[in-house]
Formats: sequence, structure tokens, C-alpha cells
Amino acid sequence: DAGVIQSPRHEVTEMGQEVTLRCKPISGHNSLFWYRQTMMRGLELLIYFNNNVPIDDSGMPEDRFSAKMPNASFSTLKIQPSEPRDSAVYFCAISFEGFSGNTIYFGEGSWLTVV
Amino acid sequence: AQTVTQSQPEMSVQEAETVTLSCTYDTSESDYYLFWYKQPPSRQMILVIRQEAYKQQNATENRFSVNFQKAAKSFSLKISDSQLGDAAMYFCAYRSILGGSEKLVFGKGTKLTVNP
Repeated sequence: DAGVIQSPRHEVTEMGQEVTLRCKPISGHNSLFWYRQTMMRGLELLIYFNNNVPIDDSGMPEDRFSAKMPNASFSTLKIQPSEPRDSAVYFCAISFEGFSGNTIYFGEGSWLTVV
Repeated sequence: AQTVTQSQPEMSVQEAETVTLSCTYDTSESDYYLFWYKQPPSRQMILVIRQEAYKQQNATENRFSVNFQKAAKSFSLKISDSQLGDAAMYFCAYRSILGGSEKLVFGKGTKLTVNP
């Protein structure tokens, strides 16, 4: 969805390297979410922010994962050090109060492969 | 905690025919949102349709409609006049309204194949 821009779209990195995923949402959103999708676990919420404040980070796997939202138009998800089991598609999503009510829209995802 | 169950890992339909994808959920809340998302091979998550639990009328978006049975906690998706482009993974999702959590809880998905 054009309302959420994610980068990089694809990344291949070696185990132990730091990975930073970026998200730029449109203005006017209510909350911002980071989801992870794997074959084994499906779609999991990692963390979400409201007004740039982390509200629920219970899904963050471990200390290797961290997320920030320094302002309303930018967020990052960092993995340091990365491991092969972190290979997944990472989605950034936003909730938006539109004409038809509150809806969550997803970015196109960042495909991460850790070798 | 809320859970969402999609009991059909895979479904297939002939082009131009109708198919229904099942979804059930478990919640103790009285008001919430339900969604169907489509995920084609590109992996993008595309919103198909949404339903507010307080609305008795079933949501409809062109060829897509839902059968929302609140008492049975069922939220099935009907795709009419199926097209080749409808082939994708379909995910049912639940979202609370009360309690402040905006977390989407997803089912495991149903893979839909459309046969020409």
C-alpha cells in the first residue's frame, strides 16, 4: 500500500551482522506496527507504537531485536546480531481512521534472509 | 486471549465459480473488528474487506462478501465469479476495540487456487 514505504525490500546478510529495516508511514496514522511472517509461526506482532510511544512489545523475540519511532514519519526495526532463524518477511503497518472506520494497512514487506 | 482459526489450509475453485473461505474466532468481547486480507505471491498484504461486530449487515466489496454470524463467532468470506487474479493466501484477522489494544490477531491462512 502506498501509505507505508518499507526499505529495503530484500536483504541478504551474513549471520552476526546488524540489520536495520525502515518504515515511512503516511501522516495522519494512529498507530504503527511491526509484524513478522514465517512459514512456521505465521504472522506475529512484534511491537506497536501509538503517538510514537511503544505500547506493546511483548512479541519482540529477544534482546537482539529493538525498534524505535523517533517521529511520526519514521520507524526502524533493528536486529543485532542477526541469526538464520530471523529469516522472514517483516511488515510495517499502520492503523488509519478513514471514511469507513479504523483499518490497518500494510507495507509491501522487507524480505530478510540471514545466511 | 483472542484466537482466530481458519480450518481450510487449501481451497480450489474453477474460474467464474463461487468459493467460501471459513473463519472462526474466539473472544469474550462484544465489540471488535474483523478483516480478510489477501496475500498474493508478491507477499503484499492487501485488505479485502472489513466488518464491525456491532453492524448486523454483512459487508460487501464488489465480488467479495462476508457471512458474519456473531453468535457463532464465524466470519466467512465469499468470492463470487472467481478470477485467476484471486489466487492467493487469504488471512482472517481479529482486532479488539475495547481495552485499547490495536493488535491484529491472524489465522494461519487459506491458500486459494483458481483453476482456468
